[in-house]
Order: sequence, then C-alpha cells, then structure tokens
Amino acid sequence: QVQLVQSGAEMRKPGASVKVSCKASGYTFTNYYIHWVRQAPGQRPEWMGWIKGGSGDSNYSPKFQVRVSFSTDTSANTVYMEMSSLRFEDTATYYCARSGLPYCDATGCYTAEYFQHWGQGTLVAVSS
Amino acid sequence: DIVMTQSPDSLAVSLGERATINCKSSQSLLFGSNKQNYLSWYQQKPGQPPKLLIYWASTRESGVPDRFSGSGSGTDFTLTISSLQAEDVAVYYCHQYYSSPFTFGPGTKVDI
Repeated sequence: QVQLVQSGAEMRKPGASVKVSCKASGYTFTNYYIHWVRQAPGQRPEWMGWIKGGSGDSNYSPKFQVRVSFSTDTSANTVYMEMSSLRFEDTATYYCARSGLPYCDATGCYTAEYFQHWGQGTLVAVSS
Repeated sequence: DIVMTQSPDSLAVSLGERATINCKSSQSLLFGSNKQNYLSWYQQKPGQPPKLLIYWASTRESGVPDRFSGSGSGTDFTLTISSLQAEDVAVYYCHQYYSSPFTFGPGTKVDI
C-alpha cells in the first residue's frame, strides 16, 4: 500500500533553516508528484508546491518561492523540503502528499493534483 | 489566486440526519478540454492529516462510505453526508487544483 513517512518534529530559532524528509513506498516513485502542504494551528491547509518524483521538476507557490526548496533522492524514494529564514509564523505542521492518478479520456491525459495519500505530518516549531 | 469559500462555518446534525456543506470558488473550476471540475473534498480529524473523500467534484475515493457524495460544477459545489455517523465528526475542506497556487476553503466543522 502507498505510504509516505516523514521525518520527526523540529524546533528552530528565527532566521534558521529546516529540512524535512518524506520517504515514499508502495508505488512507482517516478510516476507521481509529491506536494508539500502546511497547516498552522486552527488554520486551513496551505499549498506550498510540488516536485516530480525522479525528474526533480518543481513548481512553487509564489508565497514560498524565495524561501523554500524541494529536492529528491530517487535512489531512496525520498523527497525533501527545505525552508530558510524561518519566522515565528512558519510554526505549523508540514505534510507531504502524493498526487492522484492522471485523468485520461479520448482527449488526452491530464495530471490530477488532488492529494490522494498523505504523510503523517512534521511539526516545525519556530521559537526564540 | 482562486479564492475558495465555504458555508456554513460549522453545523450540528443529529445522528442519521443529512449534512450539507457548500463550497464556492472565485472562478470556474471546469476545464474545457476534459469537462472535469478540478475540485476535491477532504475530511480532517484532530491530530490527523486530511483524508481525501471526493475528487473531480463527484468521484468518491476508494474505501470512502457511500453516504459521502459530491456534486456541483463551475463555481458552486456541495458535499453531502446523507446519514451522519458519529465518526463523521470532523472539519471538511474543499480544495481547487485547477490552477496554481492550489487553494483550500476555510473549512466547515461538523458536530453531532
């Protein structure tokens, strides 16, 4: 079965960086996108961007474009999210999530960027 | 960015009764080429990640009970729980994946 297992909770001071990992199993890693979504306490989820397993192609939300970087290690079926210049308001649970199956019909195949499988989440706390 | 809104903010429903959650997007989520609405619904319980319920606006995810259904097109969508069970107490979010940056609604809290 599909599993996404994330690294453990992190605590950082303002201005520091953090790197969170997401190890995938149970499917062909290179065929799907992995998205990163964060959720501050009591808030709606917030999409940060995606990275394609294998190719490393990525797309970032403009809000996170400057401070966030995704990377992938195909040999380990693992993707990484690194955020720099952390602020108090970056305190949140960070999730990786796998995209759905592409939708195909007579007109072609289309990517399906809903989030079919989720990691357990990684709490990143920013505190002085 | 596409703005997603939901109504109501919260609702209390008796066991076995119907719960209806509405979601509206600031622009159409209907893609002309494949006639699909790029809208999904998630259920989130405390301390857990969101769980996919519905995608393409009306396709139920495998393993999701058939009391959950999604409908709507364009800018107006609905999630219906036909007969509320105790385990359905959660926050429900709609989400658009029509255009980047993908966005979520503010959530609807469902209680008994």
